[in-house]
Amino acid sequence: ELKVEQNPLFLSMQEGKNYTIYCNYSTTSDRLYWYRQDPGKSLESLFVLLSNGAVKQEGRLMASLDTKARLSTLHITAAVHDLSATYFCAVFPIQGAQKLVFGQGTRLTINP
Amino acid sequence: KAGVTQTPRYLIKTRGQQVTLSCSPISGHRSVSWYQQTPGQGLQFLFEYFSETQRNKGNFPGRFSGRQFSNSRSEMNVSTLELGDSALYLCASSLAGGGSTGELFFGEGSRLTVL
Repeated sequence: ELKVEQNPLFLSMQEGKNYTIYCNYSTTSDRLYWYRQDPGKSLESLFVLLSNGAVKQEGRLMASLDTKARLSTLHITAAVHDLSATYFCAVFPIQGAQKLVFGQGTRLTINP
Repeated sequence: KAGVTQTPRYLIKTRGQQVTLSCSPISGHRSVSWYQQTPGQGLQFLFEYFSETQRNKGNFPGRFSGRQFSNSRSEMNVSTLELGDSALYLCASSLAGGGSTGELFFGEGSRLTVL
């Protein structure tokens, strides 16, 4: 059964700093997604990564996928307070039940 | 283009009651999935419907059921509510099918409180 693990689960950082959230998954997949969730809100799609080596960037966020290592990273550059939220990665397995499996989420707090 | 619409947004029920939640997907999307989000268990897959057929089901008891209509709108029902059913229920729609990235677009959710 596919398992998705994120780390860290909690991250408090200062504005202007850089940091990376890691997402590891246990079985073969070729589709990985990153979502953002603000408190009490729904999930907002950030990135769709569909192939090994895929890299996507939007503003201060950059996501990458290494399917051989079963690893995706979400890199935050020069963090700003507005990026405070919970970030989830999610994976579709190639085999087995076709359901999106989410990581535990990383609660990111950016302090002025 | 309208997003995924879920109703009701908030509801309070008591143990033993049943509840029905509704989801209208993005126009043209034929796949609808449901997820339960709780602080303890995180986001868990309930089921997925495509063209009125349940294609996948998560590990939830039979009290949780759903259906999809010919216009792709979906409902989920929870019978004999338990305290542990208190959660945010999220509906997601996707294009599915060939050429699709499989990206899910989520609604605002229905927050259920069971007393």
